[in-house]
Order: sequence, then structure tokens, then C-alpha cells
Amino acid sequence: DAKTTQPPSMDCAEGRAANLPCNHSTISGNEYVYWYRQIHSQGPQYIIHGLKNNETNEMASLIITEDRKSSTLILPHATLRDTAVYYCIVKNTGNQFYFGTGTSLTVIP
Amino acid sequence: EPEVTQTPSHQVTQMGQEVILRCVPISNHLYFYWYRQILGQKVEFLVSFYNNEISEKSEIFDDQFSVERPDGSNFTLKIRSTKLEDSAMYFCASSEGGRRSNQPQHFGDGTRLSIL
Repeated sequence: DAKTTQPPSMDCAEGRAANLPCNHSTISGNEYVYWYRQIHSQGPQYIIHGLKNNETNEMASLIITEDRKSSTLILPHATLRDTAVYYCIVKNTGNQFYFGTGTSLTVIP
Repeated sequence: EPEVTQTPSHQVTQMGQEVILRCVPISNHLYFYWYRQILGQKVEFLVSFYNNEISEKSEIFDDQFSVERPDGSNFTLKIRSTKLEDSAMYFCASSEGGRRSNQPQHFGDGTRLSIL
């Protein structure tokens, strides 16, 4: 079962920032938060991951709250090609990624 | 940027036949995985593989399934006697590190398996 909860869907206007929330209230101290996205039925695409500090790369920023019970993925300037299902993942025991149902983001022109 | 490649992109097979799905993981990665996604459903973990051994497997990965690293570059998933319910997208993934590592898994674009 997933250790995370996400809203099922969100809309964002093209060019605006998309802020995707995720709750992971049972996360342990050494567990990382990973974000992936899936466009249509393509393979899940890695976006970013973090432990407790905020992270930024060329795709997105990850903001993790101080208590680590929630995080937000930020796509700073959403484009139509960012329309996808976004998954927030904390590994289960072992090395499996449990994908859950994610957030379906629709970027609107 | 290095990527995981999977072949074929689409495989059509008669029920009861054997099928082998092939993957070339990222070259310096040591951990390999298979996941599947039935149309309209979640991505599900099947198996992880390290040092020529299965390290974890799910309930889905029964005796009909096997994995192999036949050479230094390929990683394969074999379904011995396919069933209609095996129809799905199968994704291969690889990572530098395993359970104790924070390294992400990188996925290929999948093989669509259709069982007739």
C-alpha cells in the first residue's frame, strides 16, 4: 500500500506554476520522497527526490516541510507537455516503488 | 543522457505461448526491476534483481515468470505460458543502488504485451 496521499486531479494554466501536494505523514527519518510522472502509457519518468532539504533541478523544485509529513512538487512554468499523472512515492520496505493513483495534472492553454 | 531501452515495443502472442521481453538497463546500474501496468490500472512491482539473483518479488511474480541476465547488457523477463490476463505494459527499470540507497529507478518506455 502507498505511504502517500495525493489529490486525484488538478488543473493549471499554461505558463503558470503547478504546485502538486503530497502527504506522507508516516514517513520515517531516513526515507526519501520521490516524484515521477507518466505521460499516457509511457514509462514513468523520474523527476526529483529529496530527504529533508528543498531540492531543485532542471525539471522541478521539491519543497519538503520541516516535519517531513508533506511535500510539494513545483513545476515553475507549466507547459502543455507537462500534462501527465504525477506520482509521489516513498519506498515500501525493500526496494519497491508503489505508484498509487497519483495526481492527474491537466495544463490548460 | 543514458536511458533504459526495451524491445519489442509491442508483442502479440497466442495464449499459452512463451514470451520473452528484453531490456537493456543503464550501463553502470547494478539493480534491475520489472513492473507491469494493466490498461487503466496502477503500475505494479513484479521483481527486483541484483547480483544474478532475485532480491524481491511480488505475489504477481509466480512460477510462470522468470528473469535472467543472460549477458553483460541484457535483462529479460520470461512468461512461460501466457494467459489473457498477462496482457499489459511491462516496464523495465534500473538503478545504481538498492534498498539502502536513495538512488532513483529509471524506467524504459515499456513493451505492450497483447495475449490473444
